[in-house]
Amino acid sequence: EPEVTQTPSHQVTQMGQEVILRCVPISNHLYFYWYRQILGQKVEFLVSFYNNEISEKSEIFDDQFSVERPDGSNFTLKIRSTKLEDSAMYFCASRAGVLRDYGYTFGSGTRLTVV
Amino acid sequence: DAKTTQPTSMDCAEGRAANLPCNHSTISGNEYVYWYRQIHSQGPQYIIHGLKNNETNEMASLIITEDRKSSTLILPHATLRDTAVYYCIVPIRAGNQFYFGTGTSLTVIP
Repeated sequence: EPEVTQTPSHQVTQMGQEVILRCVPISNHLYFYWYRQILGQKVEFLVSFYNNEISEKSEIFDDQFSVERPDGSNFTLKIRSTKLEDSAMYFCASRAGVLRDYGYTFGSGTRLTVV
Repeated sequence: DAKTTQPTSMDCAEGRAANLPCNHSTISGNEYVYWYRQIHSQGPQYIIHGLKNNETNEMASLIITEDRKSSTLILPHATLRDTAVYYCIVPIRAGNQFYFGTGTSLTVIP
């Protein structure tokens, strides 16, 4: 069964450093998302991406965050200057088409630890 | 804000059917109900979704009431590996965002 692949599985970074989280969505999917989950809390929407641009973003997704689909296969989330409170699991998701016909497929996540 | 209400936790004996309820009284006519689960801190896993007819797949069945204000996810023969948090989701804004509430923490007991 096709999978959404995320790398690395765990990243430790120093506060103030830039970090890039990588995702390879399922190959024929058109819609891409990032969600995050702080330990013990709910899964939260960050951003959705379609047709090479952001279609929606949450209040969490401020100027420190950016997304990119650099080469038609990868989908990245960049955090420019990490803060302690950015420590969380980050999940990438993708879907093929309209939501009524296709659910999201989530990756297994990247655990980001900011020290 | 969540458009769904679920019990916080439930237990189920191994081998029995697990019935997980969800209220979505403000659902509108063209909004689908989705069920996902999250095992420990893994990525949410799609289970099933439906509009108004009952649905069944290899994982579960989804029963939606006629007025569509509530639904029940049924795992017909629960196993220990079904222990997870189960989320009932009605997508926000024409289906783009998913709002994950606190879900129902299902514990399957040997």
